[in-house]
Amino acid sequence: AQSVTQPDIHITVSEGASLELRCNYSYGATPYLFWYVQSPGQGLQLLLKYFSGDTLVQGIKGFEAEFKRSQSSFNLRKPSVHWSDAAEYFCAVGANNAGNMLTFGGGTRLMVKP
Amino acid sequence: ETGVTQTPRHLVMGMTNKKSLKCEQHLGHNAMYWYKQSAKKPLELMFVYNFKEQTENNSVPSRFSPECPNSSHLFLHLHTLQPEDSALYLCASSQPDRKERGYTFGSGTRLTVV
Repeated sequence: AQSVTQPDIHITVSEGASLELRCNYSYGATPYLFWYVQSPGQGLQLLLKYFSGDTLVQGIKGFEAEFKRSQSSFNLRKPSVHWSDAAEYFCAVGANNAGNMLTFGGGTRLMVKP
Repeated sequence: ETGVTQTPRHLVMGMTNKKSLKCEQHLGHNAMYWYKQSAKKPLELMFVYNFKEQTENNSVPSRFSPECPNSSHLFLHLHTLQPEDSALYLCASSQPDRKERGYTFGSGTRLTVV
């Protein structure tokens, strides 16, 4: 069975600083990988996804993520964080042999200091 | 607007009440999901419907009763709930033959049981 780990429950960064949120997955074949963002009291919005091709994917709001098969990781990055990026971020993994189910990580809450 | 609409956005109900949550999508998706999101807990998958058939019931108590009359609509009927059922209930949809697109989420219904 696939699993997703987001090691950091909370992260605080200063506005303008760079950001990296970690995501590690466990799965034998090439997974489908996603990052979602959730603002307080809202649903989850898709930031970006990887399923094949270039391992560095660009998303909305200036985010990018890199798929590293050797490390089973799909870390989310942003070069300069804005106060509006404060939210909860979820990594998710899907697989060809898992039907259409996604497995979500526990989430990372990002706080941005002025 | 994500394409998945959930109503109501907020609901307060007593433990003896009966109420229903509604989810609607016109994205042409054939899979729909109910998730529960409680404070400081991971996303909990509750139910999955594929082509109107329930394919997953994640050991959810019978006081939660899902209904999927067609591929565009999903309901969650609630009765005799407990205070610990207070949470954000999220609906999502997806296209089973396009797994790489991930899920589209609604904005959720914030449920408070008093």
